Amino acid sequence: GDSVTQMEGPVTLSEEAFLTINCTYTATGYPSLFWYVQYPGEGLQLLLKATKADDKGSNKGFEATYRKETTSFHLEKGSVQVSDSAVYFCALRSSASKIIFGSGTRLSIRP
Amino acid sequence: DAGVIQSPRHEVTEMGQEVTLRCKPISGHDYLFWYRQTMMRGLELLIYFNNNVPIDDSGMPEDRFSAKMPNASFSTLKIQPSEPRDSAVYFCASSLGGRGLVMNTEAFFGQGTRLTVV
Repeated sequence: GDSVTQMEGPVTLSEEAFLTINCTYTATGYPSLFWYVQYPGEGLQLLLKATKADDKGSNKGFEATYRKETTSFHLEKGSVQVSDSAVYFCALRSSASKIIFGSGTRLSIRP
Repeated sequence: DAGVIQSPRHEVTEMGQEVTLRCKPISGHDYLFWYRQTMMRGLELLIYFNNNVPIDDSGMPEDRFSAKMPNASFSTLKIQPSEPRDSAVYFCASSLGGRGLVMNTEAFFGQGTRLTVV
């Protein structure tokens, strides 16, 4: 069945460092891919999405490119801030319409 | 729109009691999802509905769990009887469908219900 695998956390970085959180997926057909962010005590919020191969999603300085050849959707940001500290989830939505999430990666940014 | 609304935000109950969690999706959305979040298992999809009809309940852990969607603006997740291992944060989310076979729309999440069974 469909699945999402993302890198284990926690990830701790210094402010202004470069961020990469890896995400790979397994799915039949042509899924849409998403990154969500969860701040403490809140629900998940959409960060960015890409709906077809080679699409790049971007928002708030974060980017991810839909790579069908490597079945990946890695999240990147060139310079992280303390306010980026949160849990990040990679997700896919297949033609079967369910939305499957990865296990989440906790990110902490040191001032 | 007020977004997805869940109630209650927090629930503490004793083992063996019935618990009912409630969700009001975003108006016009035709998909509704129930998820459970724990440290051990992460975010698990329990069940989802399309146009008020349950499509896949394979994630419902046991017969003690049941979910209903009597109309487009309301859904419930019931646990009866509750057990300590049911303690978790339960999220409801809603979305539009896509076009044809392309399901490219995101889900919008509620704030969650933190359930503690003692």
